[in-house]
Amino acid sequence: GAGVSQSPSNKVTEKGKDVELRCDPISGHTALYWYRQSLGQGLEFLIYFQGNSAPDKSGLPSDRFSAERTGGSVSTLTIQRTQQEDSAVYLCASSLEGWGQGYGYTFGSGTRLTVV
Amino acid sequence: SQQGEEDPQALSIQEGENATMNCSYKTSINNLQWYRQNSGRGLVHLILIRSNEREKHSGRLRVTLDTSKKSSSLLITASRAADTASYFCATADTGNQFYFGTGTSLTVIP
Repeated sequence: GAGVSQSPSNKVTEKGKDVELRCDPISGHTALYWYRQSLGQGLEFLIYFQGNSAPDKSGLPSDRFSAERTGGSVSTLTIQRTQQEDSAVYLCASSLEGWGQGYGYTFGSGTRLTVV
Repeated sequence: SQQGEEDPQALSIQEGENATMNCSYKTSINNLQWYRQNSGRGLVHLILIRSNEREKHSGRLRVTLDTSKKSSSLLITASRAADTASYFCATADTGNQFYFGTGTSLTVIP
């Protein structure tokens, strides 16, 4: 596709359930980021994938959060045993190269997660 | 932290006026980017300025960068109602992630 695609666009889940969020980056983009944006807050970095390198997981808030990127393309962010504080918009971004290489990032429209 | 901070937090202007937003950051950067986010939508990349550049133009957008003051400004000229959105600057140091501020909420009144 022409842009970064995220699914689902909205997800309501019960506290304690697991959720999976999907990101389909632009074809050929080697860098992929996950962020989340809570209401009224700035973007919070979660995890970064760059090519075949080990991902930078330093932003994941707890061990309930994990992410994979299969075949250097599609990425899945998994949140286990969801809590109400996990409610946020989860944004995925991809770029032709990693940060610092002078390329802009393309963001998806996000997944709005609501934990009830 | 390296977080960029936008100023002002909110700005309301009449259509046709110019809007200026500022961003300050704390450490050395490779480049700085400005993004726009319309309500309920994803972020849209507006413009990137490298650390060795001082000014850059794109349509009605003008971005300046002063690395000595660790600050950048985004000027939107001849604003339109459709420019109503939140505007974020993004910076990064030599690490892997960007840092975004909480943004400037711009309202352009028709």
